Amino acid sequence: EDKVVQSPLSLVVHEGDTVTLNCSYEVTNFRSLLWYKQEKKAPTFLFMLTSSGIEKKSGRLSSILDKKELFSILNITATQTGDSAIYLCAVYNNQGGKLIFGQGTELSVKP
Amino acid sequence: KAGVTQTPRYLIKTRGQQVTLSCSPISGHRSVSWYQQTPGQGLQFLFEYFSETQRNKGNFPGRFSGRQFSNSRSEMNVSTLELGDSALYLCASSLLASVSEAFFGQGTRLTVV
Repeated sequence: EDKVVQSPLSLVVHEGDTVTLNCSYEVTNFRSLLWYKQEKKAPTFLFMLTSSGIEKKSGRLSSILDKKELFSILNITATQTGDSAIYLCAVYNNQGGKLIFGQGTELSVKP
Repeated sequence: KAGVTQTPRYLIKTRGQQVTLSCSPISGHRSVSWYQQTPGQGLQFLFEYFSETQRNKGNFPGRFSGRQFSNSRSEMNVSTLELGDSALYLCASSLLASVSEAFFGQGTRLTVV
């Protein structure tokens, strides 16, 4: 059965810290891996990764995919209180035509 | 450009009733997918519609159904509501079918009492 596992499940850091969120997957017919940020309701799209070893960056956030080892990491540098959210990792199963989500990592950034 | 719009935002229903949720995708997007989010199960895929046709379906009972209209707007229906159907229902919009870059709406919070 397809699965996506995120770790840690929750994390508390202080402003200015750097955090690394992990996502491992076992999904048949892998097409891409996506990261979302969920604060209140709507998950907000962050990155989509399809190729191994190519880092995607957006400001203080970056992500990389390792298709051989079947995992991805999301890095956030110089964290701010506004980064507090649940970060969701999802893998697109091309055959089933659906996103398979991990449980999420709840990040709390303290001032 | 407007994002994904879901209505209503909140809904309270009693067991045995049925409910219809609505989703308007981003202008120009033709694929709509529905997901259920609960604290215990996380986000789970319900179904995907493209060009008024259901393309894929998740592992949910037949009480969960949907449809898509010619303007790409989609509705999801749940009949004979159960307490366990209480969840946040999220709709995601994509430009085409089977495109993994999906943008989510704010969701409809359904509470079944």
